[in-house]
Amino acid sequence: NAGVTQTPKFRVLKTGQSMTLLCAQDMNHEYMYWYRQDPGMGLRLIHYSVGEGTTAKGEVPDGYNVSRLKKQNFLLGLESAAPSQTSVYFCASSWNQETQYFGPGTRLLVL
Amino acid sequence: AQKVTQAQTEISVVEKEDVTLDCVYETRDTTYYLFWYKQPPSGELVFLIRRNSFDEQNEISGRYSWNFQKSTSSFNFTITASQVVDSAVYFCALSEAGYSTLTFGKGTMLLVSP
Repeated sequence: NAGVTQTPKFRVLKTGQSMTLLCAQDMNHEYMYWYRQDPGMGLRLIHYSVGEGTTAKGEVPDGYNVSRLKKQNFLLGLESAAPSQTSVYFCASSWNQETQYFGPGTRLLVL
Repeated sequence: AQKVTQAQTEISVVEKEDVTLDCVYETRDTTYYLFWYKQPPSGELVFLIRRNSFDEQNEISGRYSWNFQKSTSSFNFTITASQVVDSAVYFCALSEAGYSTLTFGKGTMLLVSP
């Protein structure tokens, strides 16, 4: 079991570029989440999904889009990256409201 | 609205000292879940414990113990005989029943020096 994996581990973007972060889980979890972590801010929820084909907004959804076409994958897209999106992004998954298990994170730097 | 407060931004201790990390939460629900996660310097988030609001029994796991007090809306975490490997950022989090999302505190950085 790999658990939750994230691709890529690190990325540098220029302002205005787009990219997609991939999260994959092999635990057959229904729920998946995307968070961002910034210094002194803890983790803030961007978007989440309660099942294949569903998505919902979290606390800080602006500038991001998500898709959950397959149960095991949850994609986070940045259509036009901004320096304010420089952050560490974590994906997590859970079975209903049980414990969330996190991926290793993706460091994104937007210049 | 739910809220989690970790008032201690950073704590420094010397190895073998006991240390308590505070967590205070706010929620209007009577059914909710509380969590602690550890984030070591390597960056991953490691699940430590999950507690539901109906179970106020304290929990001990090795050197770790948790004190849940509904009367003060607190879920504090104590490390006994701290070790250098305990150095990490520790997050407390809350989830209300009926909602799948977690609200995190801002974390407490624990530095354990030899």
